[in-house]
Amino acid sequence: DTVLTQSPALAVSPGERVTISCRASESVSTGMHWYQQKPGQQPKLLIYGASNLESGVPARFSGSGSGTDFTLTIDPVEADDTATYFCQQSWNDPYTFGAGTKLELK
Amino acid sequence: QVTLKESGPGMLQPSKTLSLTCSFSGFSLSTSGMVVSWIRQPSGKSLEWLAAIDWDGDKYYNPSLKSRLTVSKDTSNTQVFLKITSVDIADTATYYCARSAGLSYYFDYWGQGVMVTVSS
Repeated sequence: DTVLTQSPALAVSPGERVTISCRASESVSTGMHWYQQKPGQQPKLLIYGASNLESGVPARFSGSGSGTDFTLTIDPVEADDTATYFCQQSWNDPYTFGAGTKLELK
Repeated sequence: QVTLKESGPGMLQPSKTLSLTCSFSGFSLSTSGMVVSWIRQPSGKSLEWLAAIDWDGDKYYNPSLKSRLTVSKDTSNTQVFLKITSVDIADTATYYCARSAGLSYYFDYWGQGVMVTVSS
């Protein structure tokens, strides 16, 4: 299976820029997607195809990368962005998710 | 408006069969490119894709669980089902169904999830 590695946690201040990384154990081309999950809620799609912003998602969110290294950027961060962020690949079978990065606001 | 909602038993005993239902509206699973997947998440942990069924009735399974999973849909294309046989404590999780549109297998709509506890 394709393993997706994310840093476990980040703490930033409102207004700052934050980058969340996801590294794949093998190439996933641009088949990488990002989700935001708040406690007690289902995941919400933010970015698909590595860099495409899902409809209705604020332009503060952006994604980049291809192959094995991917980044989700939030700029500027707002208090409501406190959540866990998961990457997911759909290039290789089975589809896999990263362990999640918990974003906390200082 | 696309909505999905999962339903299930809440709690069941080890070795039993878990049956889950995903009821959805706002799209038809008979439309080309539509796919409904099942994904689970143990409390405090990450997500695991389990299975999917597409508009053509083709079924896809996570190889790690394939022998225990059966995904199906109803003839009206408004419900998708998942059965997991021989459950054990490790199957305790929140189970989600989610939609993919097109063949990119990202999940643009999710149900609220149903919590399932396996306990004797």
